[in-house]
Amino acid sequence: DAGVTQSPTHLIKTRGQQVTLRCSPKSGHDTVSWYQQALGQGPQFIFQYYEEEERQRGNFPDRFSGHQFPNYSSELNVNALLLGDSALYLCASSLDRLAAYNEQFFGPGTRLTVL
Amino acid sequence: AQSVTQLDSQVPVFEEAPVELRCNYSSSVSVYLFWYVQYPNQGLQLLLKYLSGSTLVESINGFEAEFNKSQTSFHLRKPSVHISDTAEYFCAVHETSGSRLTFGEGTQLTVNP
Repeated sequence: DAGVTQSPTHLIKTRGQQVTLRCSPKSGHDTVSWYQQALGQGPQFIFQYYEEEERQRGNFPDRFSGHQFPNYSSELNVNALLLGDSALYLCASSLDRLAAYNEQFFGPGTRLTVL
Repeated sequence: AQSVTQLDSQVPVFEEAPVELRCNYSSSVSVYLFWYVQYPNQGLQLLLKYLSGSTLVESINGFEAEFNKSQTSFHLRKPSVHISDTAEYFCAVHETSGSRLTFGEGTQLTVNP
């Protein structure tokens, strides 16, 4: 049973460019959350997708956008990259069971470096 | 809004010594509490969680944490650590009615021989 997978593993971009990161959820999961982990800090919630809609969003600018596909995979897009966007981007998947808490399983992350 | 404070950014210990990683949280609503572990160049792995019931929760590899509502704490302990426990540990909270995890800034546990 494959866990959460993310691609690419590493990525180097320059300021002002745009980037797309991809996530495939754990088999059977229908919800995807994205987190940004800057060096030396804890992960910060970007947004969550369920049924192809953004369900909840953290305190991130509109340069950060996402998408969820019918097969539940997801993309994170970041426009007009800034040096401060350099971070490990983590994807987490869960199964929405209308429970108060649905455990999130994390992927290995994509390391984005902005030069 | 909720926040998590991990009181120690780095904790060095010798192998087989006990360890405590401290975590305090602030929230205006009920929360669930978690500890995650992150090994170098890997994602986060759930170590243990408190949802309800007994305030003392245990992991399969000897860690335990105790939820203290009056002190809004969820400290992680292990009576005897191994070299392989060297990793970054994150405390996190999840609103009982929300979708997001809020993490602390992490504690780097380094176990020396």
